[in-house]
Amino acid sequence: GESVGLHLPTLSVQEGDNSIINCAYSNSASDYFIWYKQESGKGPQFIIDIRSNMDKRQGQRVTVLLNKTVKHLSLQIAATQPGDSAVYFCAENPLYNQGGKLIFGQGTELSVKP
Amino acid sequence: KAGVTQTPRYLIKTRGQQVTLSCSPISGHRSVSWYQQTPGQGLQFLFEYFSETQRNKGNFPGRFSGRQFSNSRSEMNVSTLELGDSALYLCASRDRSSGKNIQYFGAGTRLSVL
Repeated sequence: GESVGLHLPTLSVQEGDNSIINCAYSNSASDYFIWYKQESGKGPQFIIDIRSNMDKRQGQRVTVLLNKTVKHLSLQIAATQPGDSAVYFCAENPLYNQGGKLIFGQGTELSVKP
Repeated sequence: KAGVTQTPRYLIKTRGQQVTLSCSPISGHRSVSWYQQTPGQGLQFLFEYFSETQRNKGNFPGRFSGRQFSNSRSEMNVSTLELGDSALYLCASRDRSSGKNIQYFGAGTRLSVL
């Protein structure tokens, strides 16, 4: 498959374990954040979002945590499955609902061992 | 609803040529953004179009341009291609009336410049 990054941080986990993917964002004025998943040969796929007035949001098997003090986001995936293997990107929106520009992190490659 | 459609999926060009890429957004989405993805630079914002007008622009040279039609379909053009323009070009659409900047991506056009 295609590689989206030659030197991405890599996280390797056992199937069934929980995964935590971290991201540091750059702009303290950013007020909206999104996690995307990109599988080989595909475009990024929306996973979950969070606004800056929240510090936690849960979805199906995923939780996003936001720490504005240290400008840090994390994505927790519960009971990781082989289908979760992909590159995960965090993205920040520096101008909430005023512009379509998203600033993406470098990505983390998640590898799930069966 | 059908997702974001990008054509062609693959392109091979030589230096100095120009190229046009096409994007059809999700039905009802009137905002279209373009991104360039490379192993070295990651995902970088090119520009956003809404109502046939460019609303936001990234830090790319003037060789990169785009346009949007009345049906919200968008094209981007790269003139005088350089080897460094080899990349995956991603188009994303969003519903500005939703109150969230969730962008939905197509599978991309893989451009190789020889």
